[in-house]
Amino acid sequence: QKEVEQNSGPLSVPEGAIASLNCTYSDRGSQSFFWYRQYSGKSPELIMSIYSNGDKEDGRFTAQLNKASQYVSLLIRDSQPSDSATYLCAVINAGNNRKLIWGLGTSLGVNP
Amino acid sequence: DVKVTQSSRYLVKRTGEKVFLECVQDMDHENMFWYRQDPGLGLRLIYFSYDVKMKEKGDIPEGYSVSREKKERFSLILESASTNQTSMYLCASSTVNQPQHFGDGTRLSIL
Repeated sequence: QKEVEQNSGPLSVPEGAIASLNCTYSDRGSQSFFWYRQYSGKSPELIMSIYSNGDKEDGRFTAQLNKASQYVSLLIRDSQPSDSATYLCAVINAGNNRKLIWGLGTSLGVNP
Repeated sequence: DVKVTQSSRYLVKRTGEKVFLECVQDMDHENMFWYRQDPGLGLRLIYFSYDVKMKEKGDIPEGYSVSREKKERFSLILESASTNQTSMYLCASSTVNQPQHFGDGTRLSIL
């Protein structure tokens, strides 16, 4: 079992819809969770950090964390074609608070 | 804003050459990382450093070495470049328990 798992996609949603991206992790002691967006040919950029159970909203983005079920999700409301990218989930495990453990990413396409 | 600067966006080298990739960060972060990214394989950690002159192997250190003589600078060295090291190389920095911030990446081609 991979330490951080994401559905590779591609996930396709129409413009204006809600895109839902999911990530599960195996280390129950993980404390810090991050979502990055990566456009083709570019480097990853941080879009959300979440550290405690529940929802965290930032503009059109909402991160949801459920430590009991060991998953973290990202919702993108009012999806735009410019949201088309690969979304990477990353987790800091309890055993090493310096490294990130990465998922392989979910490819999202938003259709005009 | 965190600024991580990689020395080259594109680089072309020949097999057997010694190749240096440089990375500089301006946020006084103690942690610095080198990754390579290939289609379908995700981000793979080559080496990281948590202090000056300190380094730890990541998941794929073979064929690479690193140097961290100053806190702000972390260099990746390909001792004898081979074609299977053609890839996108990404440098990142962070402080403890915080997210990593990336440079723009270096697309390296080994011919």
